[in-house]
Amino acid sequence: EIVLTQSPATLSVSPGESATLSCRASQSVSDSLAWYQQRRGQSPRLLIYGASSRSTGVPARFTGSRSGTEFTLNISRLQSEDFAIYYCLQHNTRPWTFGQGTKVEI
Amino acid sequence: QVQLVQSGDEVRKPGASVKVSCEASGYTFTSYGITWIRQAPGQGLEWIGWITAYNGNTNIAPKFQDRVTMTTDASTSTAYMEMRSLRHDDTAVYYCARGPVPWPFWGRGTMVTVSS
Repeated sequence: EIVLTQSPATLSVSPGESATLSCRASQSVSDSLAWYQQRRGQSPRLLIYGASSRSTGVPARFTGSRSGTEFTLNISRLQSEDFAIYYCLQHNTRPWTFGQGTKVEI
Repeated sequence: QVQLVQSGDEVRKPGASVKVSCEASGYTFTSYGITWIRQAPGQGLEWIGWITAYNGNTNIAPKFQDRVTMTTDASTSTAYMEMRSLRHDDTAVYYCARGPVPWPFWGRGTMVTVSS
């Protein structure tokens, strides 16, 4: 199965700063890569699909990009509600797999 | 609006079975599949499998193929996920999500606790 490795495990930032999260796939997943945000006690929320397309209602400060098998989620001007855990998902090859998550904390 | 309402939390002993439901509303149930995903306490997300609501076809991750059955009832717009031979490490929140992947709509989750 395809392994997604997210880094860093934890990212400490201040409100107003930017954050860069990485997700590396063990083999090609094409653009079949999505990003989710999970706040404490809540269900995951789809942020990005197709590696770089924002889901409905997602603020423009969230941007996704791809370079080969390396995927990046950038969050600019962090707001208090952005402090959460972020997961990547590949749905190119079954079984679909998630990364282990990056916690963005203050 | 699309809603997925899951059944209540469950407690089971090791070796028992559990059946979790996911009632959908706000869209034509047979137009989309339902995916099941779980999350152990303090851990990440794990894809279990999906079922096509139209014809009941399933695709279940190899890890769960011998213990999980997924079904749907179009008359009640409800999807079900049954897991058998439960183990302590099956303790998790079980989510349903509406297709297509990558699932913009999720239920709130059902906590399944396996404890002797």
